[in-house]
Amino acid sequence: KNEVEQSPQNLTAQEGEFITINCSYSVGISALHWLQQHPGGGIVSLFMLSSGKKKHGRLIATINIQEKHSSLHITASHPRDSAVYICAVRSGTGNQFYFGTGTSLTVIP
Amino acid sequence: ETGVTQTPRHLVMGMTNKKSLKCEQHLGHNAMYWYKQSAKKPLELMFVYNFKEQTENNSVPSRFSPECPNSSHLFLHLHTLQPEDSALYLCASSRSLLAGEYNEQFFGPGTRLTVL
Repeated sequence: KNEVEQSPQNLTAQEGEFITINCSYSVGISALHWLQQHPGGGIVSLFMLSSGKKKHGRLIATINIQEKHSSLHITASHPRDSAVYICAVRSGTGNQFYFGTGTSLTVIP
Repeated sequence: ETGVTQTPRHLVMGMTNKKSLKCEQHLGHNAMYWYKQSAKKPLELMFVYNFKEQTENNSVPSRFSPECPNSSHLFLHLHTLQPEDSALYLCASSRSLLAGEYNEQFFGPGTRLTVL
């Protein structure tokens, strides 16, 4: 079992829809990282979170440390949001990094 | 453009070849990472260097050999690889890597490696 689980694995949405991607983890963490990977491989950092909520443009990330859960929301989705979204954590004790398998998002015009 | 460059972007090699992957960061960071990404699998952390010292080696086979001559450059030397080593190899950097900290990582575009 992976220490980081993401859902859904695949998601198709119509342009303009509100999207939610979930990440659950089983270890105590120092922080959580949301990453975006476009076709071709390049990975871009979206958010680092250790508590609460962060917003950048149409993207919002939240984290609930007690429930060991984070969500990434995309408002007014656009085809350029099509990518794989990856959740990553670093454990607070063993300092290990754990990665989810990613959520593949396709936004249809 | 993330400030992290990798060369080559694509590499095809035979099992008896020796090749090297190069990573360079222009961000003034002190920690650098090598990751392997295989199809349908999570990112796998291979090696970490913090202030030029190797701090993690996650049970990586000895046919992969990292080198970090300074905080801006990271190499991955490859020799006698196997076909199952074919994957996307990603380099990343962060401000530093201290215990209990998770600093934002900036990734390079990756090297797509095919081992024949």
